[in-house]
Amino acid sequence: DTGVSQDPRHKITKRGQNVTFRCDPISEHNRLYWYRQTLGQGPEFLTYFQNEAQLEKSRLLSDRFSAERPKGSFSTLEIQRTEQGDSAMYLCASSLGSNGSPLHFGNGTRLTVT
Amino acid sequence: AQTVTQSQPEMSVQEAETVTLSCTYDTSESDYYLFWYKQPPSRQMILVIRQEAYKQQNATENRFSVNFQKAAKSFSLKISDSQLGDAAMYFCAYRSQMDSSYKLIFGSGTRLLVRP
Repeated sequence: DTGVSQDPRHKITKRGQNVTFRCDPISEHNRLYWYRQTLGQGPEFLTYFQNEAQLEKSRLLSDRFSAERPKGSFSTLEIQRTEQGDSAMYLCASSLGSNGSPLHFGNGTRLTVT
Repeated sequence: AQTVTQSQPEMSVQEAETVTLSCTYDTSESDYYLFWYKQPPSRQMILVIRQEAYKQQNATENRFSVNFQKAAKSFSLKISDSQLGDAAMYFCAYRSQMDSSYKLIFGSGTRLLVRP
């Protein structure tokens, strides 16, 4: 069990640029979640996948955000035309998807938009 | 919608002493899960303990235990024999049994400082 891994750990970009983050979940986990965490706050839910299907998107996920999970394995989160307000830690988590199974989190990707 | 409130932005405890972190939540549901997660400075969230709402017995995990008061919608975390490695952000989280996403709703967190 190598845990949930996220890449990159840090990303600095200029406003208006596109960025893409990757998450590799625990291999046997069929559910994958994306959260956003701003300084001093708890994580906020963005979206989740059951295998390759994206089943729910939060109102926080504007049209500039898109997430994919091809083949139900790794996932990518892309932000187009980044804004300074997008600066945050983006956390990925995975779970078995059964009732009561906990979420296992990655280290996150810290995005800074200048 | 459910909400989770952690009213203590920061707490401090002497090494080897006991500290209690508070959490309250608001829900109209009767069946749910509650969790405490720890987020050390390395930023990876780690599950500390979980409680199923239908269980009256408070969950315990080694030095960590909870005081679950369902009627009061309170879910506090007690850390006994505090260690320097316990220093971290602690997040309380709620999971609805009615929501098939099983997503977690987090509070704003409590920063725990451990004094040597």
